[in-house]
Amino acid sequence: GAVVSQHPSRVICKSGTSVKIECRSLDFQATTMFWYRQFPKQSLMLMATSNEGSKATYEQGVEKDKFLINHASLTLSTLTVTSAHPEDSSFYICSAARGVFSYNEQFFGPGTRLTVL
Amino acid sequence: ILNVEQSPQSLHVQEGDSTNFTCSFPSSNFYALHWYRWETAKSPEALFVMTLNGDEKKKGRISATLNTKEGYSYLYIKGSQPEDSATYLCAYAGGTSYGKLTFGQGTILTVHP
Repeated sequence: GAVVSQHPSRVICKSGTSVKIECRSLDFQATTMFWYRQFPKQSLMLMATSNEGSKATYEQGVEKDKFLINHASLTLSTLTVTSAHPEDSSFYICSAARGVFSYNEQFFGPGTRLTVL
Repeated sequence: ILNVEQSPQSLHVQEGDSTNFTCSFPSSNFYALHWYRWETAKSPEALFVMTLNGDEKKKGRISATLNTKEGYSYLYIKGSQPEDSATYLCAYAGGTSYGKLTFGQGTILTVHP
């Protein structure tokens, strides 16, 4: 199967600090990686799409300066929440796909629970 | 804003029961419909990716059908087992979405022994 890891699984930080979340495809090369956020009792909401070696594409309403995404290799993408505030507390989850098409399966990491105090 | 709805929100069944739930999505500009199973504290697991109207896919006791003209998909579980307890998510991709998925809120299935 295709395995995606995500670290850390849980992080608690103080308001104003930055937090980095890593997403790795362990046994395949991911052309595209996606970052989602889920608030309580809501569905997974796409934040951004990243392709290796190019700038991420952000969804409407997602601040690119606040949520920095780097996709430096075909197996690693990082999401950095800069100057985190309590309203950024949420569940963040990444997925990776072998291709850029909508029929490509997405393989998900286990997610990161971020709590900002 | 794309509307992807799943029903019911939650479902409790007894072991051995067969069950089904629904995902409705925009019928225009359809490209693909994904189904995922998400067990607590684990990663969502891809079940099916469906693209053709009338398509039916099967994996063990789980199967899914797709009607793109009316904008719905059904997921069926035959002879539910406690290990089938999970949240089942569907996700819609439109024609120009390039892999971007819009998820429904999920159906939480609990199978009681």
